[in-house]
Amino acid sequence: GAVVSQHPSRVICKSGTSVKIECRSLDFQATTMFWYRQFPKQSLMLMATSNEGSKATYEQGVEKDKFLINHASLTLSTLTVTSAHPEDSSFYICSARDGTSGGTSTDTQYFGPGTRLTVL
Amino acid sequence: AQSVSQHNHHVILSEAASLELGCNYSYGGTVNLFWYVQYPGQHLQLLLKYFSGDPLVKGIKGFEAEFIKSKFSFNLRKPSVQWSDTAEYFCAVIPYGNNRLAFGKGNQVVVIP
Repeated sequence: GAVVSQHPSRVICKSGTSVKIECRSLDFQATTMFWYRQFPKQSLMLMATSNEGSKATYEQGVEKDKFLINHASLTLSTLTVTSAHPEDSSFYICSARDGTSGGTSTDTQYFGPGTRLTVL
Repeated sequence: AQSVSQHNHHVILSEAASLELGCNYSYGGTVNLFWYVQYPGQHLQLLLKYFSGDPLVKGIKGFEAEFIKSKFSFNLRKPSVQWSDTAEYFCAVIPYGNNRLAFGKGNQVVVIP
């Protein structure tokens, strides 16, 4: 099946620094990638939708200047957490939509393994 | 508000027992439905999906789910679980024409050998 990778898998940083997380679709092209945040014992919350070659669409309540998303190619999207603070500590997961079915809502999303961010 | 509901967050059962996890959604209109599984330390994997046709969908690892439109439900079932089915299970919904998955809160399933 389709494989999505994330790098790094785990990162610890000091408060005030910026952290970049990469999401790659390894064996398919993804015109759309999604970034989620998962809190302990809670569901995945969609943060933003990343479209190749255009600006990301952020969900209500997500600060676009804090969570910078770049989708420069059909296989790579990056999420940069700028000026990270302890409350940004979380598990960040990306997914990539396999657009082969020809329909946005019938395409399957494949998920990356996640990145555990800890801000000290 | 539109939502996806999963009840009984924690489920503990013995091997060979049957499993049923409920999923209800509140979206009107046509929806596409998914069940994802997250094994300990692993990423989310697709178990099964329903777009149209036979409302009884069979997925991987012996799982199946039934779409009941009148009840806005998409319950997941497995007749006989194994220890390796210990995982977190998420129901997810995409309204037709949309591309944004809405997840339920998940069910933490623990199978005791």
